[in-house]
Amino acid sequence: DVQMTQSPSSLSASVGDRVTITCRASQGIGTSLAWYQQKPEKAPKSLIYDASTLQSGVPSRFSGSGSGTDFTLTISSLQPEDFASYYCQQCASFPLTFGGGTRVEIK
Amino acid sequence: QITLKESGPTLVRPTQTLTLTCTFSGFSLRTTGMGVGWFRQPPGKALEWLAVIYWDDDKRYSPSLKSRLTITKDTSKNQVVLTMTNMDPVDTATYYCAQRRIRGKHWFDPWGQGTLVTVSS
Repeated sequence: DVQMTQSPSSLSASVGDRVTITCRASQGIGTSLAWYQQKPEKAPKSLIYDASTLQSGVPSRFSGSGSGTDFTLTISSLQPEDFASYYCQQCASFPLTFGGGTRVEIK
Repeated sequence: QITLKESGPTLVRPTQTLTLTCTFSGFSLRTTGMGVGWFRQPPGKALEWLAVIYWDDDKRYSPSLKSRLTITKDTSKNQVVLTMTNMDPVDTATYYCAQRRIRGKHWFDPWGQGTLVTVSS
């Protein structure tokens, strides 16, 4: 199985801050990585697929990068609606696996 | 507009079998490339993938749960059913279904609202 390790597990940031979340795969997965946003008591929402392709309707302040084993989700200027949990998921092989999540909280 | 909604019992006794139904609209599992996956999330914990079924009836399961899971589809009803046997309190979680809409891509969007299943005697 491909293990996904996300860091940090939580962070505190202010509106307007640049935020970076990292995800590391235990083996190379090319660019087969997705990012999801989950707000409290809500279902996950897909933000990015293929490591860097934004889903339709996702604000351009979100971006993804990386390939192989190391990936990054960046929010260029944090907005109030971005306070949520974020998960990476490897899409390269079964079983599909998720990172442990990163909670982005208000400072 | 694509929507998915999970339904099933909110409380299950230990050792019982859980049956969850995902009812969807806006797409068909007769369409080449389509798939529906099941996931779960214990309270305060991370997401876990459980199973996926595709338009051609191909099925994949989480190896750690494979012996307990069965996924089926009813294309005439636009439903996907997940059964999980021998339920245990550690299976308490919110269970989600979601659409896989691009052939060869194993990310999922959109997701249903989820249904909380509690396992307790």
